[in-house]
Amino acid sequence: GAVVSQHPSWVICKSGTSVKIECRSLDFQATTMFWYRQFPKQSLMLMATSNEGSKATYEQGVEKDKFLINHASLTLSTLTVTSAHPEDSSFYICSARDQYSPNRNTQYFGPGTRLTVL
Amino acid sequence: KQEVTQIPAALSVPEGENLVLNCSFTDSAIYNLQWFRQDPGKGLTSLLLIQSSQREQTSGRLNASLDKSSGRSTLYIAASQPGDSATYLCAVPNSGNTPLVFGKGTRLSVIA
Repeated sequence: GAVVSQHPSWVICKSGTSVKIECRSLDFQATTMFWYRQFPKQSLMLMATSNEGSKATYEQGVEKDKFLINHASLTLSTLTVTSAHPEDSSFYICSARDQYSPNRNTQYFGPGTRLTVL
Repeated sequence: KQEVTQIPAALSVPEGENLVLNCSFTDSAIYNLQWFRQDPGKGLTSLLLIQSSQREQTSGRLNASLDKSSGRSTLYIAASQPGDSATYLCAVPNSGNTPLVFGKGTRLSVIA
């Protein structure tokens, strides 16, 4: 149980295009999902907190108009990188919290999406 | 603001050695602490989670300890194997509802 999937697992796009990344909790409901970004040889840095049915909360320095987050259901959050540029190339990882689990504060991580912007 | 530090940044050991990875955090008001493994280009694999009320957790050859008051955790790996080569990340939330703050990781190489 407690599986989180991400799609796509990797994507290559041209500069200026938009890319959507999906994060799904497969066997549990997640009112809260988190989006992290990891640059090469760096650790994971939180980008935003995605709350079902409400606006996402962005970390300082993360442009909300560039990284659009939608959490329309209890099992799906999407991150759209708009007008992508080469500096947006990174590994994007989501996590979800199973609110009904006995250990409901455990976060389960997706496998990540590698974005390369040419 | 919570900060997590991991030492050493990289470690290379011969196969069979026991080793210890260190993690420290600045704010001791943590809910739990997790250790993850990350293989190159891959996502995270959760290894151990220690609740704030616990002192240690064990899983196979792995043992993680937690000393909240001093803001430290260690991950002990017994009888290391080449397959243990990966980056090991330590992470803490400040409370149950906040996201994880990660250390920069320790890159482990186990040489056959």
